[in-house]
Amino acid sequence: GAGVSQSPSNKVTEKGKDVELRCDPISGHTALYWYRQSLGQGLEFLIYFQGNSAPDKSGLPSDRFSAERTGGSVSTLTIQRTQQEDSAVYLCASSLGAAYSNQPQHFGDGTRLSIL
Amino acid sequence: DAKTTQPNSMESNEEEPVHLPCNHSTISGTDYIHWYRQLPSQGPEYVIHGLTSNVNNRMASLAIAEDRKSSTLILHRATLRDAAVYYCILRAYEGYNQGGKLIFGQGTELSVKP
Repeated sequence: GAGVSQSPSNKVTEKGKDVELRCDPISGHTALYWYRQSLGQGLEFLIYFQGNSAPDKSGLPSDRFSAERTGGSVSTLTIQRTQQEDSAVYLCASSLGAAYSNQPQHFGDGTRLSIL
Repeated sequence: DAKTTQPNSMESNEEEPVHLPCNHSTISGTDYIHWYRQLPSQGPEYVIHGLTSNVNNRMASLAIAEDRKSSTLILHRATLRDAAVYYCILRAYEGYNQGGKLIFGQGTELSVKP
């Protein structure tokens, strides 16, 4: 079946511009996660949505980062006034639910963001 | 969060078994042990998970020490496609509808020689 889809696959933008990254989770998955992976920092958690609950935003690095999930499905990660340190691969994952710790997360292949 | 320790890198020969170790001496009773792997230019991929008993699936086996302070991911016959970074992760059960995020360490980079 269809996996997690992310778009665009690559994004190059100038410093100071805003960017939007999109994630289409697997149909029926109620939990959605954003991570980012940068050289020297590894994979780090950004934000997590579970159903209609308030999202866990504890991993967002600054108030320039925000995310929303509309209709419990598609999610958009927005970075305002991009900085060069925002350059990274942004990964989205979804799972059947975070009610229990044994649900595997299914990842997309990410959006590679480059800030010039 | 409980931490895991893995070797930075390992090498294997194709078609031989591979044992990838993970130490987690501060694991709590409700922590599940998860393994993910990440192939080049791809997102991480779930491999296997367990709590106390050894587990087998089509991809690998997970051997968990009796005291749960360490575990080993076993690839029975390595192929070139198994070359990846393997992450051992503890997932805490934080209550219904909470938690769920994965805390990734540096992982073990596995190279497979033909």
